Amino acid sequence: DAGVIQSPRHEVTEMGQEVTLRCKPISGHNSLFWYRQTMMRGLELLIYFNNNVPIDDSGMPEDRFSAKMPNASFSTLKIQPSEPRDSAVYFCASSISRGIGQPQHFGDGTRLSIL
Amino acid sequence: DAKTTQPPSMDCAEGRAANLPCNHSTISGNEYVYWYRQIHSQGPQYIIHGLKNNETNEMASLIITEDRKSSTLILPHATLRDTAVYYCIVPHTGANSKLTFGKGITLSVRP
Repeated sequence: DAGVIQSPRHEVTEMGQEVTLRCKPISGHNSLFWYRQTMMRGLELLIYFNNNVPIDDSGMPEDRFSAKMPNASFSTLKIQPSEPRDSAVYFCASSISRGIGQPQHFGDGTRLSIL
Repeated sequence: DAKTTQPPSMDCAEGRAANLPCNHSTISGNEYVYWYRQIHSQGPQYIIHGLKNNETNEMASLIITEDRKSSTLILPHATLRDTAVYYCIVPHTGANSKLTFGKGITLSVRP
């Protein structure tokens, strides 16, 4: 079975550029989560969707970050303009529902470096 | 999330059981205990979860104390591939199921 698919796996770009990260959740899953991991802050939740609707974006660091989920099989996380402090590994995860007892399945992440 | 406390690291010999402890003394009656792990350069991986009864699956066993204030994840026969950071998480029940990852415990399996 295909797991959560993220692209690209690696992204290196200069500060000020727009960055778009992509995620395809597991088919049939109706919750999608975006996380960011850095050495300093660990793994932190940025935003999550349920049935394509953003439920909680309190973890989004600032207005430069935006996330969309136009349909059940695709989501994007966009950073515009990017800054060096945005360098991190970004993970997408999906689960079958947002109720209790449902594990989240993570992708392999996008390693983002902003120069 | 209910606060969880894990030691920073531990090691065990390959083939032996690895017992990873977690304290969650402020857990509420309807909150589950989840365990995830993260192998280097990979995304977190779900291992197991439980409410009050002990649970077992193909990866591990979860032992929850009767007062639910602590739990132990058991990897019965650790292999080198089990070297990872293991996270014990108790998310709030209710309107969302956000996971808050702490620092976890780094398990090193030695040959």
